[in-house]
Amino acid sequence: DAEITQSPRHKITETGRQVTLACHQTWNHNNMFWYRQDLGHGLRLIHYSYGVQDTNKGEVSDGYSVSRSNTEDLPLTLESAASSQTSVYFCASSDGGHTGELFFGEGSRLTVL
Amino acid sequence: AQSVTQLDSQVPVFEEAPVELRCNYSSSVSVYLFWYVQYPNQGLQLLLKYLSGSTLVKGINGFEAEFNKSQTSFHLRKPSVHISDTAEYFCAVSEISGGYNKLIFGAGTRLAVHP
Repeated sequence: DAEITQSPRHKITETGRQVTLACHQTWNHNNMFWYRQDLGHGLRLIHYSYGVQDTNKGEVSDGYSVSRSNTEDLPLTLESAASSQTSVYFCASSDGGHTGELFFGEGSRLTVL
Repeated sequence: AQSVTQLDSQVPVFEEAPVELRCNYSSSVSVYLFWYVQYPNQGLQLLLKYLSGSTLVKGINGFEAEFNKSQTSFHLRKPSVHISDTAEYFCAVSEISGGYNKLIFGAGTRLAVHP
């Protein structure tokens, strides 16, 4: 079955370190998205991509970057982790159809000390 | 830009009671609307969606939602809840720009079902 997987599922790091969260989907979807989930804020869009070599900033992109070198992967990098980036991160994909329906990974819980 | 407002951050309810989770969106054009459910320590899964046609949409686990264009609402209902329905529920609207779409989410409603 097609799926979307995130790794690591849990990560503890220190302020100032670089961290990369991986996202891999086997749906062959063109569109991929990264959200962060925080209490009281729901899901906020960080970055998204509509295809290989395409990346776009979401509403909370500061301090994050992504790259899209193939269809399957959209890694999320925190260049210099900050305590404010402690959160649960979700990767999602969609087939580019007109509805925008998303398929989600299980999430990656990041703690920045 | 689209926005979604979920009017209740938490909804406590007793088992077998009915429940309604409220969602309002801002849009003057055609929209696609979604409800997702997130069980503890899991990702989000689609509960139901409104694309067009009948304004009453049925989803998984006995949930349904009614699209009301004049009130820009998409409230989620279940006539009789179970303990297993305890979860966080997110309403989302599809925003289309430049031929591409993405989902805008509400802040979520935590449903707590008590015995």
